[in-house]
Amino acid sequence: DAGITQSPRHKVTETGTPVTLRCHQTENHRYMYWYRQDPGHGLRLIHYSYGVKDTDKGEVSDGYSVSRSKTEDFLLTLESATSSQTSVYFCAISQGQLNTGELFFGEGSRLTVL
Amino acid sequence: AQTVTQSQPEMSVQEAETVTLSCTYDTSESDYYLFWYKQPPSRQMILVIRQEAYKQQNATENRFSVNFQKAAKSFSLKISDSQLGDAAMYFCAYVPTSGTYKYIFGTGTRLKVLA
Repeated sequence: DAGITQSPRHKVTETGTPVTLRCHQTENHRYMYWYRQDPGHGLRLIHYSYGVKDTDKGEVSDGYSVSRSKTEDFLLTLESATSSQTSVYFCAISQGQLNTGELFFGEGSRLTVL
Repeated sequence: AQTVTQSQPEMSVQEAETVTLSCTYDTSESDYYLFWYKQPPSRQMILVIRQEAYKQQNATENRFSVNFQKAAKSFSLKISDSQLGDAAMYFCAYVPTSGTYKYIFGTGTRLKVLA
């Protein structure tokens, strides 16, 4: 298994509070991603990173920010959580073409915003 | 824009029978990877099979095989001799081999296996 750890795994919070999800990898993979999974929508890309301090937006980036100050950590922040951000969040990593292109996933973090 | 479409929200198959899950995609890239991922109730995402666009030969992994039609931009997954453990959500995914390296996923197909 790829060494990917997400924390917290479960979180319940209230509308308007800030939330940070952490993704930690031990594989030294270059690319890191945050997806959200919702019924009927599959996995949608929020933000991704292609190196330390190099990040870019995905298709559903509004209301989210990210930071990557070290190769191994990729943080996803909800500055002011809303009920529409209730979801399961997946972190994923890839070495791109260096590793057959496979995307490795963390176990997911379930966030509930009341 | 690059998109991945899975038009079957749910499929059912009898145990030991064969089922095919459909996936189409849209891209102007010539080189890319395509994937099928399985998500059982445990929520873990598991790679089932991978196809490189420049390879004409269809990928196979034991009971899983794909029908890759590059011109038609179609990438279907065939599961032979279906087993109860195959019941899961299946996602088709695409990533170009150059540029941004963003993985795009379809909306998924829930597969039920009937005993």
